[in-house]
Amino acid sequence: ETGVTQTPRHLVMGMTNKKSLKCEQHLGHNAMYWYKQSAKKPLELMFVYNFKEQTENNSVPSRFSPECPNSSHLFLHLHTLQPEDSALYLCASSHSVGGGQSYEQYFGPGTRLTVT
Amino acid sequence: GESVGLHLPTLSVQEGDNSIINCAYSNSASDYFIWYKQESGKGPQFIIDIRSNMDKRQGQRVTVLLNKTVKHLSLQIAATQPGDSAVYFCAENYGGSQGNLIFGKGTKLSVKP
Repeated sequence: ETGVTQTPRHLVMGMTNKKSLKCEQHLGHNAMYWYKQSAKKPLELMFVYNFKEQTENNSVPSRFSPECPNSSHLFLHLHTLQPEDSALYLCASSHSVGGGQSYEQYFGPGTRLTVT
Repeated sequence: GESVGLHLPTLSVQEGDNSIINCAYSNSASDYFIWYKQESGKGPQFIIDIRSNMDKRQGQRVTVLLNKTVKHLSLQIAATQPGDSAVYFCAENYGGSQGNLIFGKGTKLSVKP
């Protein structure tokens, strides 16, 4: 596989629940990303972390809270979500961002989230 | 509107034929482009990338062409196989923030045996 793992693969939660998504990369990368993939819409970047520091928050509602304790792990904490938040949440990693050069991102398999 | 888009949402080809998937982008400052393949139930898989100082790059059975004059990107797949059936996304980065890839909606490629 790609070297990026995500758990759980499927999650069903109520609007009052609190849950967390986990991502781990085994590629030695220093940048990690959260994306949202909804049907019939392009992949939407949510957050970017570079060397554990958040460098991008793409106007994401506060009910999504990311955490990056080290360069290999990334979490997305979820609370009081809405049904329209149901989607595939993808994690990705790459070499560090910045320095004037872009690099390919490697994606995990995603977590299919359903909010009821 | 979106800065990256696709001309066709679906493409059907015969096994063994060549496939061409097109992508248009609107930001002339974009300096990095990438193609991904996403099979059902999986995350996007990197195929090939190209930087703006090149106009062609070849991989194994795939070629990416970049035409900066008309802001057009294409992915060519030679001798298409059933395993190539998937959704293909192009993405661009305009250099302002290197981590930010902007994705198109995707083209679904179906390969008929």
